[in-house]
Formats: sequence, C-alpha cells, structure tokens
Amino acid sequence: LAKTTQPISMDSYEGQEVNITCSHNNIATNDYITWYQQFPSQGPRFIIQGYKTKVTNEVASLFIPADRKSSTLSLPRVSLSDTAVYYCLVGDFGSARQLTFGSGTQLTVLP
Amino acid sequence: DTEVTQTPKHLVMGMTNKKSLKCEQHMGHRAMYWYKQKAKKPPELMFVYSYEKLSINESVPSRFSPECPNSSLLNLHLHALQPEDSALYLCASSHNQGSNEKLFFGSGTQLSVL
Repeated sequence: LAKTTQPISMDSYEGQEVNITCSHNNIATNDYITWYQQFPSQGPRFIIQGYKTKVTNEVASLFIPADRKSSTLSLPRVSLSDTAVYYCLVGDFGSARQLTFGSGTQLTVLP
Repeated sequence: DTEVTQTPKHLVMGMTNKKSLKCEQHMGHRAMYWYKQKAKKPPELMFVYSYEKLSINESVPSRFSPECPNSSLLNLHLHALQPEDSALYLCASSHNQGSNEKLFFGSGTQLSVL
C-alpha cells in the first residue's frame, strides 16, 4: 500500500510559484500519481496526473523524479482563489488504493 | 455535461429515520463511488460500483446501503444512523475503474444525524 506523506499546511503570497511535495516511498510499478484540489464544502477537483518525468497542463505541473518515490505539484503564480486543500493520491486505479486520499496540504495564499 | 449532481445538498435526520442520498451523472461514466468526509479530514472511500455492480465495499456498516439502479444513478440508503455518521457524503464518477482515469466529484450532501 503506497502511503503518501504531505506537509500539513503551506502559506504563500499572491503571484508566487508554489511547490507541494508528496512522498510515496512504497510506490509500485503500476502506480500513477494524481493530485486533487478541494475547496470547503465542495468535492475534490482533479488537477493533474502523471506516471514519470514531467506533466504540464493549463493549471499546474507535476514533477516526478526517476525513482518515483516523491512527486511535486507546482502551481505557477498563485492567487487568493488557489487557497484550498491539495491531495496527492498514489495507486493502481484498478484497486482501491488509487482511491484512498492522504491527509492533504492546506495551502493558504495571502495578499 | 461534466457534472455530478447530488441531492439533497443538506439533510437532517433522526436516528430512527430512513433517508436516501442521490447521485446522477450523464457523462457516460461506468464507475461510480461514495465517499464520506468528516470536517478537516480527507475523504474516505465507502463503495465503488463498476458497470452497475458493487466492486468495492470498504467494510462499511450495514446501516449504509448503496444501490446503482442504472449507469447514471447511484443511491445511498440510510437507516438507523448514529450521530457520528454526520459528515459530508460525496459521490464521484469516472469513465471506468481503471488506469489513467480521473474522478469527477459532486458537491456532496451535508448530513446531520440528531
């Protein structure tokens, strides 16, 4: 079971780049890494998913080193509306492990 | 339509009541999920349906009874709940229960058990 470890909280200022790292030392060969964002009283929202190296979309980048024991979600130029909890999930989607959320990181963006 | 719709948004029930939570999606997704989320905690997986059949039950008490009448609908029937069952109940769907899939979540039903 690939347990994930994330910082409990992070603060940043508007306009800065934010990097949130997730440790998953026991990641398996078939496991993907997925990040979700959640605002209060809403369901989580998919941000990005990757298997290795770097993935980029319109909202974020995901960096995965060669050993895949960690991953870093990068949010460019954050705004106040990026204040949310960010979850890293790891696991083969064919099993329940991909569906198990870790403790998450509360990101607070300050003006 | 990329929405997962959950009803009701809020529900208050007594411990002897029977109620149901409903979830609907029209994205053609074949996998649907129920999660439970307590305040300031991550969502916890309860049930997974794949092609209208229950594929995962995370040892959920029998007072929670899921139902998938068709590929677009998912229900969660509640009976004899306890106050500690008060939580945000989230429904999600994905194209399939397989690799490279992403979950689409509804906004949840905030349940209070008195």
